[in-house]
Amino acid sequence: KAGVTQTPRYLIKTRGQQVTLSCSPISGHRSVSWYQQTPGQGLQFLFEYFSETQRNKGNFPGRFSGRQFSNSRSEMNVSTLELGDSALYLCASSYRDTKNIQYFGAGTRLSVL
Amino acid sequence: GENVEQHPSTLSVQEGDSAVIKCTYSDSASNYFPWYKQELGKGPQLIIDIRSNVGEKKDQRIAVTLNKTAKHFSLHITETQPEDSAVYFCAATSSGGYQKVTFGTGTKLQVIP
Repeated sequence: KAGVTQTPRYLIKTRGQQVTLSCSPISGHRSVSWYQQTPGQGLQFLFEYFSETQRNKGNFPGRFSGRQFSNSRSEMNVSTLELGDSALYLCASSYRDTKNIQYFGAGTRLSVL
Repeated sequence: GENVEQHPSTLSVQEGDSAVIKCTYSDSASNYFPWYKQELGKGPQLIIDIRSNVGEKKDQRIAVTLNKTAKHFSLHITETQPEDSAVYFCAATSSGGYQKVTFGTGTKLQVIP
């Protein structure tokens, strides 16, 4: 069974640009969560999607958005990038909700210059 | 919202010794507590979890204990091996449906051969 796949693995952008990250969950998993990981803040929850609906959202500005497609694949978008958005963005999938085991992808490393 | 504190932030042990990582949480409604191990360049991987109706759970060299009254839970690794070296995260999820997962700030464990 293939694991959670995140693309791309690395991204370099400049301030003011926007970026889209992709996450393909494990087959059969319907819940996809996104996290931001930084050395200073640890793992911060961004949002969770289930059956194309955002079910929960963390405390991030509206520049961070996401969506989920009918095949459970999810994308995350960050608009008007700031230097502080540089981080590892992790996606996790689970069968139904976050109390089922979450399986993480390897992440997308975003650098904003 | 939930707040999870994790200690220590770094831990060095000799191979064969035990390692203990402690976490406290603030939301008494939290009832699911997973532990993740993150190796360099990889996403976090679940190593053990415990639910609030259980006080202790063990899986080979790894055990987790939960004290609901004091709102703290701990990870115990016995007979540590060099491959245990990684960053470990505790997390807590509240019981109110599909709630977000709150992570601790991580413990970098180094096992010295």
